[in-house]
Amino acid sequence: EAEVAQSPRYKITEKSQAVAFWCDPISGHATLYWYRQILGQGPELLVQFQDESVVDDSQLPKDRFSAERLKGVDSTLKIQPAELGDSAMYLCASSVTGVDEQFFGPGTRLTVL
Amino acid sequence: SQQGEEDPQALSIQEGENATMNCSYKTSINNLQWYRQNSGRGLVHLILIRSNEREKHSGRLRVTLDTSKKSSSLLITASRAADTASYFCATSQGGSEKLVFGKGTKLTVNP
Repeated sequence: EAEVAQSPRYKITEKSQAVAFWCDPISGHATLYWYRQILGQGPELLVQFQDESVVDDSQLPKDRFSAERLKGVDSTLKIQPAELGDSAMYLCASSVTGVDEQFFGPGTRLTVL
Repeated sequence: SQQGEEDPQALSIQEGENATMNCSYKTSINNLQWYRQNSGRGLVHLILIRSNEREKHSGRLRVTLDTSKKSSSLLITASRAADTASYFCATSQGGSEKLVFGKGTKLTVNP
């Protein structure tokens, strides 16, 4: 069964360092999402792509976060510089059209020291 | 900002019992979805109910939607220890495709 792949699964970094997360969505899924989930909370959308274009990045802290999906397939989320408050689970999801169910990857657990 | 609010925040039951979780939201929606998340893992889609639907079933799951009360419920019948997880409702609102998640209900099913 096709799955959304994410790497790394775990990342520990010091504040002010740069970190990057990678996501490979299910083949054929045009819409890709990055979420941040703080412990004990629900996921919060950071950025949504339709193919290679950003549809919604209203909650992305653009002074330190960036996301790209250059060829409309896999995607990278970067944080530079990382801050203590960025410690969270970063989840990637994809869907066929953007209005139906989303398929989530296993997530990347980020710890900033 | 979170649109949905699940209730209760935590629920502990015995295997074989039914579990009911509720979700309330604030604005009109296109659809409402329920997801399950096992500890430290990604979310798994359970069921989607559209704003013009009132009830849907999938296996041991039953979801209801009352748009007049802006609320939904998820019923898991004959629960199993493997149902232990956090359950989230998520809503799609207005002309946006964006899903807004609630804080979740943590369900524990004791064997």
